[in-house]
Amino acid sequence: QKEVEQNSGPLSVPEGAIASLNCTYSDRGSQSFFWYRQYSGKSPELIMFIYSNGDKEDGRFTAQLNKASQYVSLLIRDSQPSDSATYLCAVEGSGNTPLVFGKGTRLSVIA
Amino acid sequence: ETGVTQTPRHLVMGMTNKKSLKCEQHLGHNAMYWYKQSAKKPLELMFVYSLEERVENNSVPSRFSPECPNSSHLFLHLHTLQPEDSALYLCASSQELGTYSYEQYFGPGTRLTVT
Repeated sequence: QKEVEQNSGPLSVPEGAIASLNCTYSDRGSQSFFWYRQYSGKSPELIMFIYSNGDKEDGRFTAQLNKASQYVSLLIRDSQPSDSATYLCAVEGSGNTPLVFGKGTRLSVIA
Repeated sequence: ETGVTQTPRHLVMGMTNKKSLKCEQHLGHNAMYWYKQSAKKPLELMFVYSLEERVENNSVPSRFSPECPNSSHLFLHLHTLQPEDSALYLCASSQELGTYSYEQYFGPGTRLTVT
């Protein structure tokens, strides 16, 4: 059973701080990793994806991948109240297997 | 119209009713998905279609019946549902079914309530 684990939160950070969201996965053969943001009552929205070890930056967002540790994280710099949402980690396993989603971490940015 | 659309957005149905959820994607994608999202649970993959062929059925009860007439449209036919089937049903699509082509784009969802 492929699993993706996230702390459910809530993770509370003050406005302007760095929010750090973490995710671990069980399938060592996983190749592709995704972060989705889901506002309350809305559908998930893709914000970042990463395939290679290391960091990938896109604006205020940085995804970090460590395949040896089976760990992927999302950093949000200069957090804003509008970043308050649930962040879903999704992992694609080896082969043509569909994405496995974590339960999500609820982030609350306090103004 | 762009992206992935779903209708209806909200649905209330009795346990003896038959209804259908519709999904349409305008992205030229070849793979489509149905997910169920219940409160405090991770997204549950229900069905996967690639080029109109079902490639995955995650032990979903037969009261849920998918249909994919072409690569742009996906339906979920519902009959004799149970109250525990109340959830947000999300449709998604991706370019292909495979590594590195896997970014999935979600529709707005159908909020289903079974009474």
